[in-house]
Amino acid sequence: GAVVSQHPSRVICKSGTSVKIECRSLDFQATTMFWYRQFPKKSLMLMATSNEGSKATYEQGVEKDKFLINHASLTLSTLTVTSAHPEDSSFYICSASRDGNNQPQHFGDGTRLSIL
Amino acid sequence: QKEVEQNSGPLSVPEGAIASLNCTYSDRVSQSFFWYRQYSGKSPELIMSIYSNGDKEDGRFTAQLNKASQYVSLLIRDSQPSDSATYLCAAPLTGGGNKLTFGTGTQLKVEL
Repeated sequence: GAVVSQHPSRVICKSGTSVKIECRSLDFQATTMFWYRQFPKKSLMLMATSNEGSKATYEQGVEKDKFLINHASLTLSTLTVTSAHPEDSSFYICSASRDGNNQPQHFGDGTRLSIL
Repeated sequence: QKEVEQNSGPLSVPEGAIASLNCTYSDRVSQSFFWYRQYSGKSPELIMSIYSNGDKEDGRFTAQLNKASQYVSLLIRDSQPSDSATYLCAAPLTGGGNKLTFGTGTQLKVEL
């Protein structure tokens, strides 16, 4: 089965810190990966689509300078939350899909970010 | 109209019963549909994919797709307390590659 690894699983840090989250597809190549955020008891919210070798596509209302995405290889995408503040505390989840049409997304285990 | 719609629930069923989860979609062009299970505090897990009209069975799970009526359902037979979770229906966005549109999810509670 498709495996997506996300690291770290939990981060607790002080306000103003930048936090990097890694997402790896372990057994398939993924030209496209996705980053989501989810608040407690709320729906998944797509933040951006990460494209290998090119700029990420951000959803409306998501600050690209705040949430930096790098997709430098076919198996790794990173999300950096820059100068994090308490309101950035959330559950961040990445996903990846195999290349080709009508492919499902496979999710990482998520990163719970807590900014003090 | 939302692209993918689900009843938020909660849907409560007794242990051993069949749980029926439904989803409707607005894009007639959609070719594939996915069901994800999400436990509280965890990330979504793919449990079923369905691409053609009819039923697809995998263990206790059966996905049903009716493209003419634009609905897709998930049946869980012999429901167990461990099936208690939120079930998300998803379909690719037309022209969006593998970007998915998710329903808001149906919370299922299987009671002893």
